[in-house]
Amino acid sequence: DSGVTQTPKHLITATGQRVTLRCSPRSGDLSVYWYQQSLDQGLQFLIQYYNGEERAKGNILERFSAQQFPDLHSELNLSSLELGDSALYFCASSPRTGRTGELFFGEGSRLTVL
Amino acid sequence: AQSVTQLGSHVSVSEGALVLLRCNYSSSVPPYLFWYVQYPNQGLQLLLKYTTGATLVKGINGFEAEFKKSETSFHLTKPSAHMSDAAEYFCAVSSPASNQAGTALIFGKGTTLSVSS
Repeated sequence: DSGVTQTPKHLITATGQRVTLRCSPRSGDLSVYWYQQSLDQGLQFLIQYYNGEERAKGNILERFSAQQFPDLHSELNLSSLELGDSALYFCASSPRTGRTGELFFGEGSRLTVL
Repeated sequence: AQSVTQLGSHVSVSEGALVLLRCNYSSSVPPYLFWYVQYPNQGLQLLLKYTTGATLVKGINGFEAEFKKSETSFHLTKPSAHMSDAAEYFCAVSSPASNQAGTALIFGKGTTLSVSS
């Protein structure tokens, strides 16, 4: 158990809909990262938050947005969903001393868009 | 920009045989390098990492990797494969963080390891 909690584990929805994925980082970790894993693209970095503020952006679509709340949990919002958004979405957190480089991953939220 | 290339999307070995998973990276700064393992329906678990110091690093479950700057490689090895090693393996790179916020990892596309008896 990495200590990173993601909900829901599975989600099935229709094209055009909007969903929210939730992540609670390990106790004490201030940074949260979101990744998308798909068969064709592999693991793609989407976005990072540190202590409530956006820190870095990767290949995140404009239809996607995220935020980190004062209690440090984070949400990833996916809107106007398309079939190609079907993927496994991972959240990760990094230790307070971020220079070690290691990320701790949750078990992911599997999104299926029909 | 940093990138990672994992040579071979699938590797098959017999139980007891040597495991070699290849990873090459591109980075304009001294990299941090990682190997993660993903078992079915689970998240990614850190196997080992190289940050600074000794270039041969040992990880969990008998795996090790060697950082070779001249070859820009960080191949993962295990002397004797076990059935339980069957999983997907990811190589990743990042740059040293300038502060405690940390930096994102850039992953390779992964290598699926199959182990037969």
